[in-house]
Amino acid sequence: DGGITQSPKYLFRKEGQNVTLSCEQNLNHDAMYWYRQDPGQGLRLIYYSQIVNDFQKGDIAEGYSVSREKKESFPLTVTSAQKNPTAFYLCASRAAAARDEQFFGPGTRLTVL
Amino acid sequence: GENVEQHPSTLSVQEGDSAVIKCTYSDSASNYFPWYKQELGKRPQLIIDIRSNVGEKKDQRIAVTLNKTAKHFSLHITETQPEDSAVYFCAANRADSWGKLQFGAGTQVVVTP
Repeated sequence: DGGITQSPKYLFRKEGQNVTLSCEQNLNHDAMYWYRQDPGQGLRLIYYSQIVNDFQKGDIAEGYSVSREKKESFPLTVTSAQKNPTAFYLCASRAAAARDEQFFGPGTRLTVL
Repeated sequence: GENVEQHPSTLSVQEGDSAVIKCTYSDSASNYFPWYKQELGKRPQLIIDIRSNVGEKKDQRIAVTLNKTAKHFSLHITETQPEDSAVYFCAANRADSWGKLQFGAGTQVVVTP
């Protein structure tokens, strides 16, 4: 399955709570990405990271935060500032600048109760 | 920034017929155009990609064509089978964008026996 894992598969959150989604890869990929998917829409980029200890905002970063302390890990925190967090979250990784293909994890479905 | 439009949003075909999905992009500097297939509740998986120095690429029953002048690219699936039923996403990125993909909204393909 591409060596990218995400956990949990399903996550339920009460309004006002922060939650952290896990993304781990054992592909030795340098770059990692977080996307959000809503019904009837394409994937939208939240954050991305090219190297350890460095990351940049994507198109919809408001209400989210990330860290990249290890090459293989890129956790995403959905904060209470995210007004509509219910969505399917996908993590992806890419080998290096010379290779374009992104490999996706299985996703986490977050529901706010 | 880059904007990718995808049409149609839904496509119903008889088994054995061909399916064509079209995407247009706005950034003339885009040079990498992947196509992903996503089955219900699963991760997107790359099925074919093309770079801007190539006009057409084929892999068994699927092919992609690129028209750089018109800034559009298309996915062609021949001899469709029920297992081709899924959502298909096109995407585009440019070489200096750190691998950031801009996705189309997706096409739901239904192949009826």
